[in-house]
This record gives sequence, C-alpha cells and structure tokens, in this order.
Amino acid sequence: DGGITQSPKYLFRKEGQNVTLSCEQNLNHDAMYWYRQDPGQGLRLIYYSQIVNDFQKGDIAEGYSVSREKKESFPLTVTSAQKNPTAFYLCASSPPYQETQYFGPGTRLLVL
Amino acid sequence: AQSVTQPDIHITVSEGASLELRCNYSYGATPYLFWYVQSPGQGLQLLLKYFSGDTLVQGIKGFEAEFKRSQSSFNLRKPSVHWSDAAEYFCAVGSGGYQKVTFGTGTKLQVIP
Repeated sequence: DGGITQSPKYLFRKEGQNVTLSCEQNLNHDAMYWYRQDPGQGLRLIYYSQIVNDFQKGDIAEGYSVSREKKESFPLTVTSAQKNPTAFYLCASSPPYQETQYFGPGTRLLVL
Repeated sequence: AQSVTQPDIHITVSEGASLELRCNYSYGATPYLFWYVQSPGQGLQLLLKYFSGDTLVQGIKGFEAEFKRSQSSFNLRKPSVHWSDAAEYFCAVGSGGYQKVTFGTGTKLQVIP
C-alpha cells in the first residue's frame, strides 16, 4: 500500500540532545513538508522540499534542520537550539503540480 | 499573505443533527481550499478540496462544503452527524503549485448521544 510513514510514534529528548524524526513516502511525490502542531495553534510549517537536494525554510525553521537526499525520505532533526520542542510533528507530501497534501500519522516529541 | 480563520474552537452537536463548521479565508486571487479531519493522535485526512468550478464540493464521509467568494467563506456541512465524526477539523488555503498551504487553528467537534 502506498502511503507516508513516520517513526517513531513517540520520541523522548534529553536536554542538549539532537533527535531525528523519520518521514518516508512511497507515493512518488515530489514535494514533502514538515509541520509542528501545538494545541490551539493549528499546523505551522517548519520546512518544505520541492525536489531532491533542495529545501526551503517555513515559518518556524529556527532550531530545526532537514535533508532531502532521496525522493522518498525527508528526515527532520530537532536540534538543541530548539528550546521548546514538545509538540506533535506531522510530515506530508504532495504530487507534482498539485496542492493537495497527504499526511503521515505523526510523531509526538516529549522532553525529559 | 493568505490566512484562514475558524471562529469556533469547539462545537457540540447531537448525533443525527446537522452540522456546519465555519471557515473564512483571506487571499487576493482564487484560492485553493481544503478541509481536513484529524482524530486524536493521528495525522490529517483530506475530506474535500476546491480548486475551481462548481462551488458546492462533495467529499468523503458525507461531507460537503460551499465556496462563497463574496463572503470569503468555505463552510463545511453534513446533514446528519454520526458519533464517529467526533474529531478536529481543519480548514486550509493555498495559492497553487508548491506554494505554502496555510491551516486554520481547527474546530473540535463533540458528538453527544
């Protein structure tokens, strides 16, 4: 079945630690996105990538980094510079020349 | 810049009653409009979308939405709500292509027996 997978479902971060969230899609979509979701704030765009080896900052990129070495994969690293990382992180992808985004199941990041 | 407003944070309806969730957008040209639904702890699922053409759009799970340019609205409706419809609903607006999609803050729907 085609879809978007995110792992892990839950992730715990210690102070000063970098953690990486995985996002993989087998839909052959060109574009991929990372969103952060906090209660009452909707979804906020962290980074997006339209093609391999290219990505752009979204509205809240500070403290995060991404890579896009393969079309299928768009991992997100939450660095120690992100002082308030506790949130639900959603990955999405969209087909070529289409605006419709399809979402993965999400990763909940908690700080120890 | 584009924006979306969902004025109702929380709505409670009785099972079998009709439902309307409000969405107002701000965008200079013809927008691309979406409604998504999210169950607790899950990702978002697309309910329906409007790009052009007929202003009344049918979606999955018996939902529909109507684009009203004069009111800058894209309200979501369902004639008879089921208990399984309890979830959070997000309206979103985009400008086409790979441009950014902006999401509203969501409306949480509670369904009572």
